Amino acid sequence: EAGVVQSPRYKIIEKKQPVAFWCNPISGHNTLYWYRQNLGQGPELLIRYENEEAVDDSQLPKDRFSAERLKGVDSTLKIQPAELGDSAVYLCASSFLRTGGMNTEAFFGQGTRLTVV
Amino acid sequence: DQQVKQNSPSLSVQEGRISILNCDYTNSMFDYFLWYKKYPAEGPTFLISISSIKDKNEDGRFTVFLNKSAKHLSLHIVPSQPGDSAVYFCAASAAGGTSYGKLTFGQGTILTVHP
Repeated sequence: EAGVVQSPRYKIIEKKQPVAFWCNPISGHNTLYWYRQNLGQGPELLIRYENEEAVDDSQLPKDRFSAERLKGVDSTLKIQPAELGDSAVYLCASSFLRTGGMNTEAFFGQGTRLTVV
Repeated sequence: DQQVKQNSPSLSVQEGRISILNCDYTNSMFDYFLWYKKYPAEGPTFLISISSIKDKNEDGRFTVFLNKSAKHLSLHIVPSQPGDSAVYFCAASAAGGTSYGKLTFGQGTILTVHP
């Protein structure tokens, strides 16, 4: 079974430039997450989708970050314009959540390491 | 507001001995707890989980213990192997409320197992 696929693996951009990350979740998973991990910290949730609906985007800096999950499958995360402080690893994860059911584990992709210079 | 805390940034153990990684949480709504393992340049990999209806879950060399009254969980690795050297993250979620379906992570503990 294919895991969560992310691209690119690495990205170096100058500040004020735009950047986009792509994620293909595990087939059949209805829930998709974007996390950001700063150096020496644990991952922090940016946005969570259930199918194509963003159900939790409270931590997404909406002035410069946007995300979409068309057709409830693949997702893209965009930053425009990027700032120096956006340098981090951006992780995509997916899971299958049953409404009202027990939580299950999320499976992560390898992440995209973004460096803003 | 750090709802999940791993107070030990690092742990060093000898091969064959027990590794004990600790995690504390503050949100009483959390009812599902997970441990993830992360190697450099890779995403976190699910290791083991425990529901709040249990106080222990075992999978091979890995055992997770949950103390709900103390809001504390721990991961035991016995025996430890050099390949276990990685960063270990504790995570928690809730069946309802604002934390439903969302994993809240600790800061991680770097485990080094010496041959």
